[in-house]
Amino acid sequence: RKEVEQDPGPFNVPEGATVAFNCTYSNSASQSFFWYRQDCRKEPKLLMSVYSSGNEDGRFTAQLNRASQYISLLIRDSKLSDSATYLCVVNDYKLSFGAGTTVTVRA
Amino acid sequence: EAQVTQNPRYLITVTGKKLTVTCSQNMNHEYMSWYRQDPGLGLRQIYYSMNVEVTDKGDVPEGYKVSRKEKRNFPLILESPSPNQTSLYFCASSLSAGIETQYFGPGTRLLVL
Repeated sequence: RKEVEQDPGPFNVPEGATVAFNCTYSNSASQSFFWYRQDCRKEPKLLMSVYSSGNEDGRFTAQLNRASQYISLLIRDSKLSDSATYLCVVNDYKLSFGAGTTVTVRA
Repeated sequence: EAQVTQNPRYLITVTGKKLTVTCSQNMNHEYMSWYRQDPGLGLRQIYYSMNVEVTDKGDVPEGYKVSRKEKRNFPLILESPSPNQTSLYFCASSLSAGIETQYFGPGTRLLVL
């Protein structure tokens, strides 16, 4: 079983829609969690950390469910510029990356 | 400007010809690492370095070497490249290992014929 698994998508959504996707992790002792964004095989960049109580950053909401060992990312009011691959990253003394979920926002 | 730089950005080479990909950061970060990214597999860590002269294997170290003689530089060496090392490579750095944000370089696309 992979350490971090993501639905690869793609998720094709119209502008203004809400899109959400999950990431599961295998190590219950994992300490911290992140979402990174990657555009067109460019370098990944941190989108947001994921806190135990859930957190928002503008139109983005991240949730952590330790009992079921998954994290989620929700994007509200999607913009064309949100089109990217979103990487789930889990830290259990080393960073483990998911293969990414591709989101395409269409006009 | 705080950044991680990699060179070259693109490289086509032939099997067995030694090559080095350089990585440099100007943020005084202690932790540096190398990843490769292949379709469907995500980023996999090749080697990492906790500090100068301290390096260790990641998940896929076979066929690679690294060195950390200075804090800012962390070159990746392929002594005898093979076609299965064709990939997109990223160098990354952070203040320390653990929960710190990773800053990635722009990537190096390598094709081994």
